[in-house]
Amino acid sequence: NAGVTQTPKFRVLKTGQSMTLLCAQDMNHEYMYWYRQDPGMGLRLIHYSVGEGTTAKGEVPDGYNVSRLKKQNFLLGLESAAPSQTSVYFCASSYSQGASTAYEQYFGPGTRLTVT
Amino acid sequence: TQLLEQSPQFLSIQEGENLTVYCNSSSVFSSLQWYRQEPGEGPVLLVTVVTGGEVKKLKRLTFQFGDARKDSSLHITAAQPGDTGLYLCAVNFGNEKLTFGTGTRLTIIP
Repeated sequence: NAGVTQTPKFRVLKTGQSMTLLCAQDMNHEYMYWYRQDPGMGLRLIHYSVGEGTTAKGEVPDGYNVSRLKKQNFLLGLESAAPSQTSVYFCASSYSQGASTAYEQYFGPGTRLTVT
Repeated sequence: TQLLEQSPQFLSIQEGENLTVYCNSSSVFSSLQWYRQEPGEGPVLLVTVVTGGEVKKLKRLTFQFGDARKDSSLHITAAQPGDTGLYLCAVNFGNEKLTFGTGTRLTIIP
């Protein structure tokens, strides 16, 4: 099992450019998440999905869009990149554990994005 | 807005010493998880606690969940350089999302 994979690992964009980050998981997890990590800010949830074809906003959704057309994939799009979106982006997947639902997260290795 | 605070923010100690880091919430939560993140990698789950007062041990790491379900601590005995990393706590408030703390950056000096 590869677990959670993310592509690309690094990317440099100019202000106004667009790009898509791809996340794939092979654990048949229902839930998938996109976070950004900035120094001193911890992990902040951008968008998440509770199943194929569904998406929902997290804590910091502005400037991002997502799609979950297949259960194993979760795409994060930046339509018009801004320097404030310079960050490390992590994808995670999870599953429900019934009565003791804890939504334990399995993270990918991250994508380091710089917007100049 | 639920707040999650971790302390200390930074900790640097000598190999062999003991340490404790803390995670405190402004609200009661359903469950809490501790993660460790090494440079250039994603966080990795260490433990999940779901019962107030619960204590779990993972080798030299001891995790405690407060009775009031608003706090947790992580104690490391005889710290080793391999324990170096960013320790994150994350809580679930009863839905499908987690709220992460800002982390404690731990450095163990050989």
